[in-house]
Amino acid sequence: EAGVAQSPRYKIIEKRQSVAFWCNPISGHATLYWYQQILGQGPKLLIQFQNNGVVDDSQLPKDRFSAERLKGVDSTLKIQPAKLEDSAVYLCASSPAGQIYGYTFGSGTRLTVV
Amino acid sequence: GENVEQHPSTLSVQEGDSAVIKCTYSDSASNYFPWYKQELGKRPQLIIDIRSNVGEKKDQRIAVTLNKTAKHFSLHITETQPEDSAVYFCAAGGWGKLIFGQGTELSVKP
Repeated sequence: EAGVAQSPRYKIIEKRQSVAFWCNPISGHATLYWYQQILGQGPKLLIQFQNNGVVDDSQLPKDRFSAERLKGVDSTLKIQPAKLEDSAVYLCASSPAGQIYGYTFGSGTRLTVV
Repeated sequence: GENVEQHPSTLSVQEGDSAVIKCTYSDSASNYFPWYKQELGKRPQLIIDIRSNVGEKKDQRIAVTLNKTAKHFSLHITETQPEDSAVYFCAAGGWGKLIFGQGTELSVKP
């Protein structure tokens, strides 16, 4: 079984620039999550999708962050414009519909904003 | 809102000793409690989990205990080895999402 795929692995941008991250979940996993992990902290949930619908985006800074999962499969997370404090690892995870027992993480995208 | 507190933030033990990491959670609807190990630069990996109808679960050198009344759960690693050195995260889940603790950096000294 292929894992959760994420790209790019690393990204360095200047503040106020835009950046996008891509995630392809495990085949058949209806639920997709984006987490932000700042160095030295635990992952913080940004947004949760069930198929192509948003279940929870209460922690997403909507003035600069956006995410979509148009066809209910892969997803894109965008930051526009980026701030220094956005430097973090962005982890994507997926699980079967309605379950959290099969939670699997991708390798993450390490973003550095300079 | 939902919250998971994890202690200690750092833990240093001698090889062969035991290590214990503790977590408390706020949402009484939580019914799933996994533990993840994260090595430097790598993704979190599930090492053990427990569900709310079980009080204790063991897998070789790793065990997890759950006290739903007190809303806390713990990870126990016995006979620690240098390769156990990593950051460990607890999480609490219900309603389809996991909330993570802040992490514990475990260092096992040879």
